[in-house]
Amino acid sequence: GAVVSQHPSWVICKSGTSVKIECRSLDFQATTMFWYRQFPKQSLMLMATSNEGSKATYEQGVEKDKFLINHASLTLSTLTVTSAHPEDSSFYICSALGGAPGSYNEQFFGPGTRLTVL
Amino acid sequence: AQSVTQPDIHITVSEGASLELRCNYSYGATPYLFWYVQSPGQGLQLLLKYFSGDTLVQGIKGFEAEFKRSQSSFNLRKPSVHWSDAAEYFCAVGPAGGYNKLIFGAGTRLAVHP
Repeated sequence: GAVVSQHPSWVICKSGTSVKIECRSLDFQATTMFWYRQFPKQSLMLMATSNEGSKATYEQGVEKDKFLINHASLTLSTLTVTSAHPEDSSFYICSALGGAPGSYNEQFFGPGTRLTVL
Repeated sequence: AQSVTQPDIHITVSEGASLELRCNYSYGATPYLFWYVQSPGQGLQLLLKYFSGDTLVQGIKGFEAEFKRSQSSFNLRKPSVHWSDAAEYFCAVGPAGGYNKLIFGAGTRLAVHP
């Protein structure tokens, strides 16, 4: 149980195009999902917190118009990188907050999406 | 400021040897502490977590970690390393009461020699 998927697992796009990454909680409902960015050989940096039915909360320094987040259902959050440029190339990882009623919520991580912008 | 420090960027051990990965944290409130493992190109898997109680916690894959409040440390240990343990290990800290806003350390890359 508690599986989180991401699609696509990797994507290559041309500079200036937009790319959408999906994060799904497969067997549980997640009112809160998180989006992280990871540069090669570096740690995860939280980009934003995505709450179902409301606007995402972005971390300081993250451009909300650049990284559009939509959390339209309890099992799906999407990250759209708009007008992508080579510096946006990175590994993007999502996590979904879930747990049994009354228990401590845990972040379950997706496998990540590698974005390469040419 | 809240932060997590993993002093060792890269560690190499021989298969069968013991392992200790260091983690120090700076956190204003009562922290919840975690260790995750990441295989190349993969997401993160939770190894173990500490919330309260016994300061020695057992995790999956034979790992354990000890919380030492006086030293602000949460070091990860394994008595005998297997080749399949080669991966990146991340220590993280979060607020008591929820997994929100985990702060991750820079990670320690573990290589295992046969």
